[in-house]
Formats: sequence, structure tokens, C-alpha cells
Amino acid sequence: GAVVSQHPSRVICKSGTSVKIECRSLDFQATTMFWYRQFPKQSLMLMATSNEGSKATYEQGVEKDKFLINHASLTLSTLTVTSAHPEDSSFYICSARLAGEGGPYEQYFGPGTRLTVT
Amino acid sequence: GENVEQHPSTLSVQEGDSAVIKCTYSDSASNYFPWYKQELGKRPQLIIDIRSNVGEKKDQRIAVTLNKTAKHFSLHITETQPEDSAVYFCAASKLGNQFYFGTGTSLTVIP
Repeated sequence: GAVVSQHPSRVICKSGTSVKIECRSLDFQATTMFWYRQFPKQSLMLMATSNEGSKATYEQGVEKDKFLINHASLTLSTLTVTSAHPEDSSFYICSARLAGEGGPYEQYFGPGTRLTVT
Repeated sequence: GENVEQHPSTLSVQEGDSAVIKCTYSDSASNYFPWYKQELGKRPQLIIDIRSNVGEKKDQRIAVTLNKTAKHFSLHITETQPEDSAVYFCAASKLGNQFYFGTGTSLTVIP
């Protein structure tokens, strides 16, 4: 149980285009999902918290107009990288929590999406 | 915001020896501390976690200790095996919300 999927697993796009990444909780409902960015051989950097039915909360230094997050249902959150540039190339990973306040604290991670901007 | 530091960045041990990875955090309000194992190109997998109301937790060869006063926590792996080789991340969180990760430790277990 508690499986999180991401699509696509890899994407290559041209500079200036937009790319959408989907994160799905397959066998549970997730009121809260998180988006992370990971550079090669580096740590996971929290980008934003995605709450179903409300606006995402972005970490300091993350451009909300560049990284659009939509959490339209209890099983799906999307991250759209707008006007992508080569410096946006990275590994993007989402995670989801099983329940809200008072519930289990564990986050389940998706397999990640490798974005390459040429 | 929360700042998590992790040491060492790389660690090599002989098979059968123990490995210890240490993390410190800055926000005294953090109360949940998970440890994740990430193999190359794969998703992070939770290996053990601890809440601030306990000082130690053990699961077979893996244990985590927490010192709230000093704001540091450690991962202990005993009787290491080659399959333990991976990158390990610690994290700190308040109530399981935003996770702030350490910089990672690349563990190599030498057969």
C-alpha cells in the first residue's frame, strides 16, 4: 500500500517551453503532497507544499510563477515548469502523506521525473 | 526556517562493522525525524523514524537516537552488509509537514 507514481519518468524539452509533471497517490487519498528538487549527488530540496483545493505554499526562493502547482483532487497534484530553461534541468520528486493532522507522519515518495531542458 | 546538517558526507566501512550518521537541526519545534535510504536513480525509502517523545528506536540492525536538548539525532546501522550501500538522508519536520533534509551520506560497505 501507499504507492505514489509520477509521470513522466523522463522528459526532454526545448528552452522556453512548459512541462507538466503529474504526481498520483494510487491507493490512498492525500490531502497534502510535496514537491522536491534534487540535483545530482545532492539532497532533496523542498520546493512547495500542495494542498488539495487550495493554493500551494512555496518555500523561500522558489518562484511560484515559474513552478505552478495544482492539487485538483485527493489523488493528483501537478507541477508545471513554465518557460523552462537549462538551469531548470533537475530531478523532481513528489511525496504524499496518508492523512492530515494527527495522522501518520510518514511521506511516501514518487519515483521522480528527470527533466532535461535543451 | 529549519536547517539540517548531516555528517559525514561519505562513509566507508568493512562488512560487518557498524556505521553511524549524525544530524543536527535548528528548529526546536521540530518533532519528527525520519531517515531515508536512496539507491541510485530510485526514490527515497523510509528506513526508520523517531518522534520527539522518545529518545531511541530500534528496528533489527537499524537504530535511531534523538537528543532534543542538543538538537541532534543519529542513525546507527550494525552488522553492515553490502546491500546497505546507498545514500542516506535525515530529515526534520513539524508534525509530519514540510520535510527539511540533510545533505546526505554516501555509505559504502566493503565486502
